[in-house]
Amino acid sequence: QQQVKQSPQSLIVQKGGISIINCAYENTAFDYFPWYQQFPGKGPALLIAIRPDVSEKKEGRFTISFNKSAKQFSLHIMDSQPGDSATYFCAARGNSGSARQLTFGSGTQLTVLP
Amino acid sequence: DTEVTQTPKHLVMGMTNKKSLKCEQHMGHRAMYWYKQKAKKPPELMFVYSYEKLSINESVPSRFSPECPNSSLLNLHLHALQPEDSALYLCASSQGTGNYEQYFGPGTRLTVT
Repeated sequence: QQQVKQSPQSLIVQKGGISIINCAYENTAFDYFPWYQQFPGKGPALLIAIRPDVSEKKEGRFTISFNKSAKQFSLHIMDSQPGDSATYFCAARGNSGSARQLTFGSGTQLTVLP
Repeated sequence: DTEVTQTPKHLVMGMTNKKSLKCEQHMGHRAMYWYKQKAKKPPELMFVYSYEKLSINESVPSRFSPECPNSSLLNLHLHALQPEDSALYLCASSQGTGNYEQYFGPGTRLTVT
């Protein structure tokens, strides 16, 4: 129940295209859903996060869509650029008990072709 | 400033060595974390410190020994490691252990020979 399932494992997109990464969770105690971006040899950097009281959050070219009833959330990268090539991790966290620590998805390696 | 610093960037050690990893943050955060990350995998939580006290130890072998000397510093002491312990070790911090964003450092790339 602690798992967060992420897909796809890898994604190749042309420059200017839309990159979409999906995550699904089971634990209804989760109430915070961040996305992290990680470049090779670097630590994960918080990209954008959402709480379940909203269905969408947009920051620049990055948008999180959240479907509480389906227990799914996704990251959309509009106008994808080669500099967006990185590994993306979704994560989830709750407010109490074992859910208080971040549970990460398995990661998506995004390659944006020039 | 949302910076977490880690030293060294790279470390190669033999299985009989003793070494330490260091982490520092000056954001006034009261929670600090150690994660281990293997290639192409997500970070795995090892330890959580809250207000300089160890609050979570995720069944980590005793050859890893954390220490929090003060609210800004976090160390990870390494002794008698195995080659399978080779990984990227990440430090993170947050305002508290509740609903706060975690900020990660760049990591220490550890190779055990």
